[in-house]
Amino acid sequence: DTGVSQNPRHKITKRGQNVTFRCDPISEHNRLYWYRQTLGQGPEFLTYFQNEAQLEKSRLLSDRFSAERPKGSFSTLEIQRTEQGDSAMYLCASSSNSGATNEKLFFGSGTQLSVL
Amino acid sequence: AQSVAQPEDQVNVAEGNPLTVKCTYSVSGNPYLFWYVQYPNRGLQFLLKYITGDNLVKGSYGFEAEFNKSQTSFHLKKPSALVSDSALYFCAVRDLGGKLIFGQGTELSVKP
Repeated sequence: DTGVSQNPRHKITKRGQNVTFRCDPISEHNRLYWYRQTLGQGPEFLTYFQNEAQLEKSRLLSDRFSAERPKGSFSTLEIQRTEQGDSAMYLCASSSNSGATNEKLFFGSGTQLSVL
Repeated sequence: AQSVAQPEDQVNVAEGNPLTVKCTYSVSGNPYLFWYVQYPNRGLQFLLKYITGDNLVKGSYGFEAEFNKSQTSFHLKKPSALVSDSALYFCAVRDLGGKLIFGQGTELSVKP
């Protein structure tokens, strides 16, 4: 168990630029989640995958956000035409049981995005 | 819709004293409840969960939580706080689709 890995740890970009984050889950985990966290708030759900299938996407999520998990392993989260309001910590989590009630999520350390 | 609320933004405790971090929930059906901790510049770490069974759940680092159905609460507790317990604590509920819905968090500060 090498843990959930996220890259980069920090990203500074200018408004209007596109950014992409990567998440490598724990190897045998088939569920992968993306959350966003701003200062003083709890993690806010964005989307999740079971294997390569994207099962749910938050209704609050702008069309500028897209996520993929092409081979059911690592995942990428892309934000197009970034806005200052996108500045946040983006967290990735994975879990092993496909919808089991007792499954717990393992989180990565996150990618801190700053949009100038 | 499933949701949790943490009524306190911050809790201050002296080292050695008992601590309680409050959480209330609103769910349709059986509640599946979790507590996570977040240390500075670290990801969230699982502390404990309630699925069914005993109302008192024991978890990591000496923490426990008490599930109270009548009060729809799931408060996090520890008999004797340590300075190293200072962190952000998040209560969460699992929704029907499987994802976790988090509360806004409570900052715990333990002073020597």
